[in-house]
Order: sequence, then structure tokens, then C-alpha cells
Amino acid sequence: DTEVTQTPKHLVMGMTNKKSLKCEQHMGHRAMYWYKQKAKKPPELMFVYSYEKLSINESVPSRFSPECPNSSLLNLHLHALQPEDSALYLCASSQGRTSGRAVADTQYFGPGTRLTVL
Amino acid sequence: AQKITQTQPGMFVQEKEAVTLDCTYDTSDPSYGLFWYKQPSSGEMIFLIYQGSYDQQNATEGRYSLNFQKARKSANLVISASQLGDSAMYFCAMREGLMIKAAGNKLTFGGGTRVLVKP
Repeated sequence: DTEVTQTPKHLVMGMTNKKSLKCEQHMGHRAMYWYKQKAKKPPELMFVYSYEKLSINESVPSRFSPECPNSSLLNLHLHALQPEDSALYLCASSQGRTSGRAVADTQYFGPGTRLTVL
Repeated sequence: AQKITQTQPGMFVQEKEAVTLDCTYDTSDPSYGLFWYKQPSSGEMIFLIYQGSYDQQNATEGRYSLNFQKARKSANLVISASQLGDSAMYFCAMREGLMIKAAGNKLTFGGGTRVLVKP
């Protein structure tokens, strides 16, 4: 089973709203990721959590706030977003290997949340 | 410099024919992994196949095979017997071993190739 679930599938929000994206996996993976993807572009990494600790923040604006409550859950809290933040937000997970065959650490993605900021 | 280059922005393929998607990469790291993902219009990124830099044989997974030419730094994806459901965007991606030690688990993606299978 390589399933990563994301809710909601679609989200429309105003620039003053606060909302959250949720991601869940039950594969025992210890690394989880948030990506942002604009139309016709590859995904751009935003955050990486490794063993429930934030290990990578790709200089993402503070209006995006990640949270990893436990090893199966990953949230992305959104506040005061801009229209240019409208995109597909993808969550992924992997075993989280950092040694040995770390290069083979495959990321499995969820279906994404399509976010529209008005 | 681009680390992953996919030179074909889009291509058509006839149903039941084979198609090759190009991917070249740039790294000085002796240890790296190469991945191919499929992204249908629904948005989900689906993992297809993996090739490690030290793997002696080309990877295969069902109708997908990877033509790995290490000296030329290319990792082309071959889809045999194309089906209508293969219509999607395809991304090549790389993870470098030294990067893992320095900065963690990061994948570098190419720009993607859109494939449209014609009946």
C-alpha cells in the first residue's frame, strides 16, 4: 500500500482567511514533504519533515506554516495568502533513509489539494 | 546550470506503439538515484521507476523500462505498448547522495514532458 491521502481536494479562500491542508500516510514512513506546483511546471519543494522534525524549509514565506503532529500526519496552515499562492499543493512521504541506499528513498505523493486564493 | 533536462516539452504517440522520453542529468556526485513520475491531469504524481547510479542493469517495471547510459548522463524512460491511459505529464527527477548528507532528502525535477496517446 503506497497511499498518501490529502484533504481537501479543492479549497477556495480569501486573502484574509485561515485554512489548513492535511496529509496522512500509514506506510510507516518517517519523512514527509510539502510541494507547491504551478500549472505546467514541476513541483517545487517547500518543506521536509524528517522524524517529525523540520529538516528543510526552502525559504517559504511565513504565511505558510507546516506542522507535523505525529509521524503519520502533516499539516500546512495557511494565513493571509496572496492570489499568486494559488497552485496545486502536493504532499509526499518516504521511508526517510539518510544513509546506506538513501538515494533510493522513493517519495510517494498524494493526490494534491488545488488551492485558489481570491 | 540545469541538473535535470527534459528536452521534449510534448509529444504524440500512437496507441500500442513504444515511446521514449528523454532525460539528461548533471551531477559530480558518484552516488545518485534517478526517478520517473507520471502526473495525469488529476494531479497525483505516480512513481513509475527508479535507477541507482551503481545499478548494473537497467531498471524495468512492467511496461516501463529505463535506458540508463551513465557515461552520457542520460536516463530515458521507455513506455512499451502505449495505452490511452498513458496520456499524462512525465517528470524525471534525481536525488544526489552528498546532498542528502548536506541538506536532506531533496529531489530535483526536470521540466516534464507531456505525452498524448492517440487512438
